[in-house]
Amino acid sequence: DAMVIQNPRYQVTQFGKPVTLSCSQTLNHNVMYWYQQKSSQAPKLLFHYYDKDFNNEADTPDNFQSRRPNTSFCFLDIRSPGLGDAAMYLCAIGRKLDTEAFFGQGTRLTVV
Amino acid sequence: EDQVTQSPEALRLQEGESSSLNCSYTVSGLRGLFWYRQDPGKGPEFLFTLYSAGEEKEKERLKATLTKKESFLHITAPKPEDSATYLCAVVGGAQKLVFGQGTRLTINP
Repeated sequence: DAMVIQNPRYQVTQFGKPVTLSCSQTLNHNVMYWYQQKSSQAPKLLFHYYDKDFNNEADTPDNFQSRRPNTSFCFLDIRSPGLGDAAMYLCAIGRKLDTEAFFGQGTRLTVV
Repeated sequence: EDQVTQSPEALRLQEGESSSLNCSYTVSGLRGLFWYRQDPGKGPEFLFTLYSAGEEKEKERLKATLTKKESFLHITAPKPEDSATYLCAVVGGAQKLVFGQGTRLTINP
């Protein structure tokens, strides 16, 4: 059974139209991550939570925000998507920051 | 800043032809090194965790090793189903999981 569930798997949005991606987990792990991955590139860390503590990467655009209302759920909000935001968005969980992370299947975002 | 460099970028092998993938890292105090497999259009699948130099982990045809500067993923007698991108990631003193670009491995039957 999947430990990390991302919805939707595919999302098409219009340029500038806000979009929300969701992630849920079944293991109650403390750490949740959001990564952006473009074609043939390394996953790039956008944010992570350790429990309720939120850590924003310095180079994450202001256009990207995140919410974690409880242990199980995490959301990625893109306020005004641009064409350059088209990518695979990956959610991952971990027990601690220095243990292995388990990834969901990702959401493929297309901006038209 | 923690950095991970993987080589080669792409590797094409014949079925049964063993080889190794390299992951070089620069971190301030290694807390853990991780190997993942990623199939096209899917999220990375966890393979191994290595914590200290000299450590080795094995799973089926894969074996991961760690030194103070690099890690190797050895693949023995690979099969076409081993074709994927293999990602290496580290956690250092900054407490962030940082990935390399990956090695795209193709095994021809």
